Amino acid sequence: DVKVTQSSRYLVKRTGEKVFLECVQDMDHENMFWYRQDPGLGLRLIYFSYDVKMKEKGDIPEGYSVSREKKERFSLILESASTNQTSMYLCASSLHLLGSPQHFGDGTRLSIL
Amino acid sequence: DQQVKQNSPSLSVQEGRISILNCDYTNSMFDYFLWYKKYPAEGPTFLISISSIKDKNEDGRFTVFLNKSAKHLSLHIVPSQPGDSAVYFCAASGSKGGATNKLIFGTGTLLAVQP
Repeated sequence: DVKVTQSSRYLVKRTGEKVFLECVQDMDHENMFWYRQDPGLGLRLIYFSYDVKMKEKGDIPEGYSVSREKKERFSLILESASTNQTSMYLCASSLHLLGSPQHFGDGTRLSIL
Repeated sequence: DQQVKQNSPSLSVQEGRISILNCDYTNSMFDYFLWYKKYPAEGPTFLISISSIKDKNEDGRFTVFLNKSAKHLSLHIVPSQPGDSAVYFCAASGSKGGATNKLIFGTGTLLAVQP
């Protein structure tokens, strides 16, 4: 079974803080993704990575950056947290970029005060 | 512009009956479709997928139907069980790259299966 692990289930931070969300997968997948889920908006792609040190912007990259130094680990960084970044953040990995299912972690519920 | 639409925010079904969840898409370049189930406070779990070369795919109680001409897919759950109560997301992507090289999700349908 694919295991995608997100470091925190719940996180509370203050406006202006730099926030790191960590994700690790154990299936040697090339591709990793960060989404946010908001009520009525479904899942929206923030960034994805198809190889170590490679990254591509998704649909809503503003205010975020990512880091992929090792194949199994993909980090999402909120450079200066704002209240509109309060959300559920979901990490996923997949064997192929297209044509294979993405497997998700349990999510991090992030609140920015 | 919502390329993948789930027009029913919620659905209520009796245990043992059929649940039918619907999804429409607008981009004709999409050729791979998936359904995910999500419980509260958990990540989405992959359920079933279908590629555009098929019009039906079955896995146990779950069947996905694809109507390419109507740009419509549906998920049938038979028989429905209380444990199926969750939010269901459909998703689509293309294999030709470019604008469709990402998985696009619908907004979800909350299924409630009544005992």
